[in-house]
Amino acid sequence: GAGVSQSPRYKVAKRGQDVALRCDPISGHVSLFWYQQALGQGPEFLTYFQNEAQLDKSGLPSDRFFAERPEGSVSTLKIQRTQQEDSAVYLCASSLSEWVADTQYFGPGTRLTVL
Amino acid sequence: KNQVEQSPQSLIILEGKNCTLQCNYTVSPFSNLRWYKQDTGRGPVSLTIMTFSENTKSNGRYTATLDADTKQSSLHITASQLSDSASYICVVSARTSGTYKYIFGTGTRLKVLA
Repeated sequence: GAGVSQSPRYKVAKRGQDVALRCDPISGHVSLFWYQQALGQGPEFLTYFQNEAQLDKSGLPSDRFFAERPEGSVSTLKIQRTQQEDSAVYLCASSLSEWVADTQYFGPGTRLTVL
Repeated sequence: KNQVEQSPQSLIILEGKNCTLQCNYTVSPFSNLRWYKQDTGRGPVSLTIMTFSENTKSNGRYTATLDADTKQSSLHITASQLSDSASYICVVSARTSGTYKYIFGTGTRLKVLA
């Protein structure tokens, strides 16, 4: 069955380049989350969308990070002027409703390496 | 500060044995607690979710417990299998300012040997 998909799976960027990471949530899922997972660490919350509304962006580490979900389905996480500390796996998750206890379904992640 | 701590950091057991993973949290106001299994190179997969009023919840060979008074949770794996080798992540959610935040632990890496 169709789960959460992310693309690209791997991205190598030179320091200073802009990157865009895509998340396709499960169709019909209201909530969408982005997480950053450094090597050997648990995911860290970045931002949360309910449909097209970005309700929480408190986890975005700097103003170089920007996320959007303009039509309430596909979401894009953009990182401008990438730095080496941005190297991580970026996970996207979606859940069916806005209910906090809904199961979050995760995508496989995009591994970003900044050289 | 909202924190989720897990122990042990890593664990090696023999196939067929049981094990228990611990999760302590200082998250408030508490909303719910989840356990995820994350295989290497994959996204986390939900095992259980418990709200404040739930003490225990099972999912096959996985049983999670929650003590909201001591702010502790455990994940017990019975009759371990090689496929249980993965990272197990505890996640606690808190409601703040009308939205929910999810605080992830750093996980316990479990290796099951034949």
